[in-house]
Amino acid sequence: KQEVTQIPAALSVPEGENLVLNCSFTDSAIYNLQWFRQDPGKGLTSLLLIQSSQREQTSGRLNASLDKSSGRSTLYIAASQPGDSATYLCAVSPEINTDKLIFGTGTRLQVFP
Amino acid sequence: DAGITQSPRYKITETGRQVTLMCHQTWSHSYMFWYRQDLGHGLRLIYYSAAADITDKGEVPDGYVVSRSKTENFPLTLESATRSQTSVYFCASSPPGLARNEQFFGPGTRLTVL
Repeated sequence: KQEVTQIPAALSVPEGENLVLNCSFTDSAIYNLQWFRQDPGKGLTSLLLIQSSQREQTSGRLNASLDKSSGRSTLYIAASQPGDSATYLCAVSPEINTDKLIFGTGTRLQVFP
Repeated sequence: DAGITQSPRYKITETGRQVTLMCHQTWSHSYMFWYRQDLGHGLRLIYYSAAADITDKGEVPDGYVVSRSKTENFPLTLESATRSQTSVYFCASSPPGLARNEQFFGPGTRLTVL
């Protein structure tokens, strides 16, 4: 059974720091991996989607990498800002059923001024 | 407004009552999903639908019923609510070919079962 783990569960950093959020998955047979952002009391917003054939995706200050064989992905946030404070979730789509997403429990990020 | 909406946003009910959560999307996306989000469990898939009149179970379907008579609507019914169904429920949609497309989420419904 695919399990997705995110470490750390919470992170607090000063504004301006570069930071890395980690996501690991137990079964490397994935079709793609997505990173989402969730603000308190709100739904999820998709940030980046990486296909299994890709190594990384970039959007602005965000860069997500994927090492499928080792079951790991990282989300790199450059020059963090207080507006980046949110919970970040990763989710994988299994090869055997690409209709579904399996989510990690998230990393709660706080960026203080 | 374009997008995906959920109603109600907040609901308090009692054990044993029937509750229906509504989800509506204006994109004509073929896929729709229902998740529940609980502390320590993350988001778990309850049911999903690939098209009108096609539904399938997710990870935690027990105690829930869905229907999809129209592409834009995907209601979730708790036939006899239990306290363990207290949670935040999210609806999502995506175009065909999920593996190549993103899921778009609604704002959620916070359900409390007393």
